[in-house]
Amino acid sequence: LAKTTQPISMDSYEGQEVNITCSHNNIATNDYITWYQQFPSQGPRFIIQGYKTKVTNEVASLFIPADRKSSTLSLPRVSLSDTAVYYCLVGDEDSSASKIIFGSGTRLSIRP
Amino acid sequence: GAVVSQHPSWVICKSGTSVKIECRSLDFQATTMFWYRQFPKQSLMLMATSNEGSKATYEQGVEKDKFLINHASLTLSTLTVTSAHPEDSSFYICSARGYYNEQFFGPGTRLTVL
Repeated sequence: LAKTTQPISMDSYEGQEVNITCSHNNIATNDYITWYQQFPSQGPRFIIQGYKTKVTNEVASLFIPADRKSSTLSLPRVSLSDTAVYYCLVGDEDSSASKIIFGSGTRLSIRP
Repeated sequence: GAVVSQHPSWVICKSGTSVKIECRSLDFQATTMFWYRQFPKQSLMLMATSNEGSKATYEQGVEKDKFLINHASLTLSTLTVTSAHPEDSSFYICSARGYYNEQFFGPGTRLTVL
């Protein structure tokens, strides 16, 4: 299981774009990169998943360079409600034997 | 997306008693479910993998006789904390693996042992 490294915390302001970078130097060929969001006293919520290049959905974008040793979650125009912990995980989604191991996550605080 | 529920959402019990937490996949069948524990300000820690019709696989350091897991059907896994003590107080979260191996998380259960 590839280990991930993220900043422990980040601060930003409403309306700004926030980019959270995750390092996963030993990512395997079959591994996907998935980001989850967690609010206090709630279960994690899926944000976005990708394998390479760029993925975009209605809430975020995920940028993955060619070597796949890192990835960046981009949150456009954040609001106060985006204050949460964000987890970057890597794993083989195609394997029924895979399990998700959470790293420390990034605690994002958005200020008015 | 798929929905996973947990029951109860919170529970308070006396030290020495046992507590059962249910995890249900509401609109899909899950042959594999996972149980996590999360202490305040910390990340989720995987406790065990629950497989329908077979014994659970526990992570290193997790006592299988303390945390009993039963996955009797394709939509239900239960975690029983036996002889609970205050140090077992935590936030317990389950997840269920979907048809395409994606994982869906439950809302969590807050256990407080007095």
